Amino acid sequence: KAGVTQTPRYLIKTRGQQVTLSCSPISGHRSVSWYQQTPGQGLQFLFEYFSETQRNKGNFPGRFSGRQFSNSRSEMNVSTLELGDSALYLCASSNGLAGRIYNEQFFGPGTRLTVL
Amino acid sequence: AQKVTQAQTEISVVEKEDVTLDCVYETRDTTYYLFWYKQPPSGELVFLIRRNSFDEQNEISGRYSWNFQKSTSSFNFTITASQVVDSAVYFCALSPDTGTASKLTFGTGTRLQVTL
Repeated sequence: KAGVTQTPRYLIKTRGQQVTLSCSPISGHRSVSWYQQTPGQGLQFLFEYFSETQRNKGNFPGRFSGRQFSNSRSEMNVSTLELGDSALYLCASSNGLAGRIYNEQFFGPGTRLTVL
Repeated sequence: AQKVTQAQTEISVVEKEDVTLDCVYETRDTTYYLFWYKQPPSGELVFLIRRNSFDEQNEISGRYSWNFQKSTSSFNFTITASQVVDSAVYFCALSPDTGTASKLTFGTGTRLQVTL
């Protein structure tokens, strides 16, 4: 079974630009979550999607948005990039209803975004 | 509010040594889940264990063992006879029983370096 895939793996952008990151969950998984990982703030929850609906959103500004498609693939978008958005963005998928926490999350390798 | 503390920022050991990674948590929930994840240099978070707060039995899986002590709010992780492949950042995480990914709180991680 293929794991969670994220594209692209690496990305370099400049301040003010926007970026779209993609996540393909494990086949059959309907729940996708996104996390931002930075040296200063650690791992922080961004969004959680289940069946194309955003179930929860973390404490991030409106520049961060996301969506989930009918095939469970998910994208996240960051507009008007700032230097502080440089981070590893991790996507995770899980099975079961509404991605309850007792269902194991499987993480992708992440997209490393560098904002210059 | 939930909090996970991993006081050890970095640990260096020589191969075959045993090493214990500490995790102390705070929560007001009566039922909750605790997790350990491994993040190798490739970036993805690898699930190691999930423990329900009702189950205080220690667990052993190969060279890995976990000591859950509710009385001290600790969930420590021991690697016996460490190997170079164990080099990674290890995260402890906590979630309420009713939580989804949005409620998962990670510690700051412990970087383990195993040398020959």
